[in-house]
Amino acid sequence: RKEVEQDPGPFNVPEGATVAFNCTYSNSASQSFFWYRQDCRKEPKLLMSVYSSGNEDGRFTAQLNRASQYISLLIRDSKLSDSATYLCVVNSPLRDGAGTASKLTFGTGTRLQVTL
Amino acid sequence: DTGVSQDPRHKITKRGQNVTFRCDPISEHNRLYWYRQTLGQGPEFLTYFQNEAQLEKSRLLSDRFSAERPKGSFSTLEIQRTEQGDSAMYLCASSINRLAGGRSGELFFGEGSRLTVL
Repeated sequence: RKEVEQDPGPFNVPEGATVAFNCTYSNSASQSFFWYRQDCRKEPKLLMSVYSSGNEDGRFTAQLNRASQYISLLIRDSKLSDSATYLCVVNSPLRDGAGTASKLTFGTGTRLQVTL
Repeated sequence: DTGVSQDPRHKITKRGQNVTFRCDPISEHNRLYWYRQTLGQGPEFLTYFQNEAQLEKSRLLSDRFSAERPKGSFSTLEIQRTEQGDSAMYLCASSINRLAGGRSGELFFGEGSRLTVL
């Protein structure tokens, strides 16, 4: 079983639609969670962190359910520019003495295509 | 440009040849990571350096792979006796710890070195 699982999509939605992506992770010791965005043929970039209480950044809302080991990302009023692959990312600690370094494990990504 | 830079951007080689990739992280970042990404997959962790110390290696990193960061600045990833299965995008990323002002979970990726093994 993969450590982080996502539906690869693609999700094809019209502009203005609301779309939700889900992700599950297998390591219950995982400490923190993120969504990264990757445009076609580009490097991944941090979109937002995911907190247990849920958090919002403009049109984007992220949720975490630790008991179910489940993470979600909701995009409201989707724009053409939101078309990209959304990577669910889980953080587990590395051995670095200070105990503060992270190994980020990425899911396969969910591809979103927003159309006119 | 003060981002993460990788060289070369593209490399085509014949099976059995050795290749080396270089990564120059953001200058104040003490942490450096190598990931590998193939089409339709997310980046897969290969190895991690804190300064010059290699602190973690994935099982994906066979004996043919070696990474170094000799002075705690740039890093190299060498693949010996390349195989067709090594064809992938090799991504380097750097970060700085939160105590130094870094944002939790934020890795800054380079644009990658694409390897094609014929």
